[in-house]
Formats: sequence, C-alpha cells, structure tokens
Amino acid sequence: QSVLTQPPSVSGAPGQRVTISCTGSSSNIGAGYDVHWYQQLPGTAPKLLIYGNSNRPSGVPDRFSGSKSGTSASLAISGLQAEDEADYYCQSYDSSLSGLYVVFGGGTKLTVL
Amino acid sequence: EVQLVESGGGLIQPGGSLRLSCAASGFTVSSNYMSWVRQAPGKGLEWVSVIYSGGSTYYADSVKGRFTISRDNSKNTLYLQMNSLRAEDTAVYYCAREGQWLVSGMDVWGQGTTVTVSS
Repeated sequence: QSVLTQPPSVSGAPGQRVTISCTGSSSNIGAGYDVHWYQQLPGTAPKLLIYGNSNRPSGVPDRFSGSKSGTSASLAISGLQAEDEADYYCQSYDSSLSGLYVVFGGGTKLTVL
Repeated sequence: EVQLVESGGGLIQPGGSLRLSCAASGFTVSSNYMSWVRQAPGKGLEWVSVIYSGGSTYYADSVKGRFTISRDNSKNTLYLQMNSLRAEDTAVYYCAREGQWLVSGMDVWGQGTTVTVSS
C-alpha cells in the first residue's frame, strides 16, 4: 500500500467540479513537506500539474487547483472536460531514520461521464 | 528544448543485470535533483532513487543494495544500474528532473523505458 492515500476513482460530468484527496501522516504531509500533483494520460509519462501545494506550472489551465491542510492535500478540477480523463497522483516526501524519501499516492482514475 | 530520453530497457532473466540511461538536453543533469520512478503494469508510480545535485544518493527500500544511481557529467546523462533483478522489478522506468528539491516537483520526465524480468 502507498504511503499517501488517494481514492481509487472519481467521476463527474462535463462542466462539473471534482476533488481528489491525498491523505498522509505526520512524517510526510503533516511534517510540512510540499505536495505535488501529476496527471498521467493513458500510455504517456506523468506530467506535473501542481507543485508546491498550490502552484500551477506554465501552461496548466487555472481549472486545476491544489490545496493542503494538516496531513492532507486536495486537487480540484473545475469545468470538467473530456480530456481531463486520466490518472492523477499526489507526491510528497517522507522522513525516516534512514533519510528523506519521495512518496507517491496510489493514484486516482478520473472518469468524465 | 528541455528533454530526457531513456534507453537500455529490455527482457532480462531473474538474477540478471541491466543498466538504464537517461540522456538530458537543454539543461545540466548535475545542477538538478534527478530521480528514477517506475510503474509496474497496471499499477501506480513508485519512486526508486534520487541523486542530489551535490552527489548524494538515496534509494527505496525495495531496491536498496541492488540498484545504483549515478551520472556522467561529461555526457549529461543519468544512469540506473540494476543488479539481481526480480520479477517484481518489471516496470516502465522513467527518469525525472526536480530543479529544487522539495519545492518544484518533477517538472521534466522522459518517455520511459520498459524492463521485463522473466525467464
């Protein structure tokens, strides 16, 4: 199982708003580490969607937004479009006795109805 | 153009070794934090290893002692030496750049190279 927990799937109709949660713990998100989000379209490499909890790289539509609170983070997608159908992953960092590691959520499949 | 191109994947028997390469263009590998991330068939993303700009290296527990990350600054290329391969190492392997550790996320990804471990 993944260190960060995401719902396996979410769905919404075109034009609607959906949110994807990412739940961690005191050794990762709750420790203050930033959360990043990636979009992976079928058969392609992941693409950075949100970095530093809530920042959008150049070229990412403002329909995508991120937030973080406590030990959790969320990705919101408003004005759903057919091309948003993809897998979404959250990523943060986890500190342990042996070092600092990159951790991913298990991924959420977004279906546009 | 900023780009990463992986190579070196293939079919390998359990217990064998393979070296993956990731050639960078448009930026300097040694000035960035570079990771390998893998994705088993039908599964999610799994972080494998990172090499800091300063040269420190870290590994996921699942590959520690078997995999080695390195870079050749003269070739601007990242490597992943994989030894004692197991069936569970079968995956698409991506290299990715993180410009500022902890802050910027992995903003450049390669297209991936497929490793299949099977007899």
